Amino acid sequence: ETGVTQSPTHLIKTRGQQVTLRCSSQSGHNTVSWYQQALGQGPQFIFQYYREEENGRGNFPPRFSGLQFPNYSSELNVNALELDDSALYLCASSFRGGSETQYFGPGTRLLVL
Amino acid sequence: KQEVTQIPAALSVPEGENLVLNCSFTDSAIYNLQWFRQDPGKGLTSLLLIQSSQREQTSGRLNASLDKSSGRSTLYIAASQPGDSATYLCATLQEGSGGSNYKLTFGKGTLLTVNP
Repeated sequence: ETGVTQSPTHLIKTRGQQVTLRCSSQSGHNTVSWYQQALGQGPQFIFQYYREEENGRGNFPPRFSGLQFPNYSSELNVNALELDDSALYLCASSFRGGSETQYFGPGTRLLVL
Repeated sequence: KQEVTQIPAALSVPEGENLVLNCSFTDSAIYNLQWFRQDPGKGLTSLLLIQSSQREQTSGRLNASLDKSSGRSTLYIAASQPGDSATYLCATLQEGSGGSNYKLTFGKGTLLTVNP
């Protein structure tokens, strides 16, 4: 196990609702990245947080937003949920200035009905 | 923009066979390359990580090679077992624009089935 935890493990929402997913990074890590994995696809980079600021974003709309807290844990917020947001959401922690290797949590599976 | 391709998309082999999974990438400016295993409905398990300066890494029955100049990596699994059945993903780590971040780009994976 990596020491990265995510909550909740599963979530069901309806279209138009908002959702918050949480991630606790591995001890000693200062950077959190979020990825979305749709069924049958590889994970896609959503964004990365370092020093409580977003410092890189993939091809995702602004309704995907995040936070990083002083203890380096992080939240992913998705507003106005769409059916296509149904996916496995993975967070990964790493140490900026070190090996940059990303360690993944178990993921949160979101189903939007 | 980095593109990672994995071939084949699916592979079915009898138990005990040695096999090779292939991964190719378009941009050789990578920090490292990782192979992951993913069981159905589960998260990612890191198998092997090869730094850009390395040529290969080994762990038990697994061996991964990296040829950065040609944009290729292979994962070799020796003496396959039914428990090896899973999806195998490769991913390259790159520095983002302006050096502001590091992100992984994944292939779509190879679905491996090892038949008893």
